[in-house]
Amino acid sequence: AQKVTQAQTEISVVEKEDVTLDCVYETRDTTYYLFWYKQPPSGELVFLIRRNSFDEQNEISGRYSWNFQKSTSSFNFTITASQVVDSAVYFCALSEAGLYNQGGKLIFGQGTELSVKP
Amino acid sequence: EAQVTQNPRYLITVTGKKLTVTCSQNMNHEYMSWYRQDPGLGLRQIYYSMNVEVTDKGDVPEGYKVSRKEKRNFPLILESPSPNQTSLYFCASRVRGQGNYEQYFGPGTRLTVT
Repeated sequence: AQKVTQAQTEISVVEKEDVTLDCVYETRDTTYYLFWYKQPPSGELVFLIRRNSFDEQNEISGRYSWNFQKSTSSFNFTITASQVVDSAVYFCALSEAGLYNQGGKLIFGQGTELSVKP
Repeated sequence: EAQVTQNPRYLITVTGKKLTVTCSQNMNHEYMSWYRQDPGLGLRQIYYSMNVEVTDKGDVPEGYKVSRKEKRNFPLILESPSPNQTSLYFCASRVRGQGNYEQYFGPGTRLTVT
């Protein structure tokens, strides 16, 4: 069965701290895709990154970095030197590549609410 | 500009009063989906469509209907809304296929059923 777990419901940090958001997934497919989305207080979903299951290279984009480890089925997200504007709900999601993938359905985790205080 | 639009953005209604949330995309995408977002549950797929006149149930379809008469539009219909359908709704679209494709989301529709 497919599942995404974000065990951290809420995280609160002080500005300039580093913070890691955890994501653990379950799938039986060998080909799958992993995503992170940001949902600021305004409510829209902002796409951050997608990775496929064959690419385990870590990725860095400015203050954001992602650590993909197939051995532990994890796709963690780190924000370095957090800022108040990083305050949002962050979702990790999984999409399977199987033929019956329900129109590219995304399976979302529960979300982690990050609060960055000045 | 490539986008998915939804209307209305906010809606307060009463139990049993039929409503439609519209969704339109301008990217000629084959795949479209509706999701609902609830606290502690993340987003869950309600219905999806893989092309015109091809729709199917997602994970939480009860109480909803959809149609896909044109490629760009994918309305979500609540024939008899109930308070448990109070939620934040997102429409999404992407190109067809099994590859690593980005899913484009609309801005969301916040629905309250009293």
